[in-house]
Amino acid sequence: AQTVTQSQPEMSVQEAETVTLSCTYDTSESDYYLFWYKQPPSRQMILVIRQEAYKQQNATENRFSVNFQKAAKSFSLKISDSQLGDAAMYFCAYRMIQGGKLIFGQGTELSVKP
Amino acid sequence: NAGVTQTPKFRILKIGQSMTLQCTQDMNHNYMYWYRQDPGMGLKLIYYSVGAGITDKGEVPNGYNVSRSTTEDFPLRLELAAPSQTSVYFCASSLGLAFYEQYFGPGTRLTVT
Repeated sequence: AQTVTQSQPEMSVQEAETVTLSCTYDTSESDYYLFWYKQPPSRQMILVIRQEAYKQQNATENRFSVNFQKAAKSFSLKISDSQLGDAAMYFCAYRMIQGGKLIFGQGTELSVKP
Repeated sequence: NAGVTQTPKFRILKIGQSMTLQCTQDMNHNYMYWYRQDPGMGLKLIYYSVGAGITDKGEVPNGYNVSRSTTEDFPLRLELAAPSQTSVYFCASSLGLAFYEQYFGPGTRLTVT
């Protein structure tokens, strides 16, 4: 069975600085998809970025980028130039190549200090 | 587009009561999902549907039932509520599987006492 682990329950970053959130996963599949979701206090789940496992190039979305290490089964999220609005719970998620369900990690709560 | 809407936003149930959580999407998505989020945890899939009339179990289906009579609606039924069902429930929909983005509703906070 696939599992997703986020080993940092809480992280803190100074405004305008860079922070990296860690995620590891376990799967026997060779192709799959990985996602980072943001959940602010409003509870709304918002897709931040996604990565196809067969692509070696790391995905980027504006200030958000990932470091995808397939052999190590690692998928970290880097947030550059952190803003107060980035404060939220961040979830890493895995999805099989033909799969519907997302498998979520436990989440990392990010706080941003002004 | 309203996206994915859920009602109610909050509900308190007594043990043994039943209720239906409503979910509607206006994006004409075939795929719909129900997740639950327990405190301090990620979301876990309860049920999902790949189209009207077709549903299947997820990781934690016990104590729940679903139906999908239309593309737009995917209600979740709780029978004989138990304290273990205290959670936040999210409905989601997607145009396709795999790489397609899942769009989430705002959630329903349910407390069973």
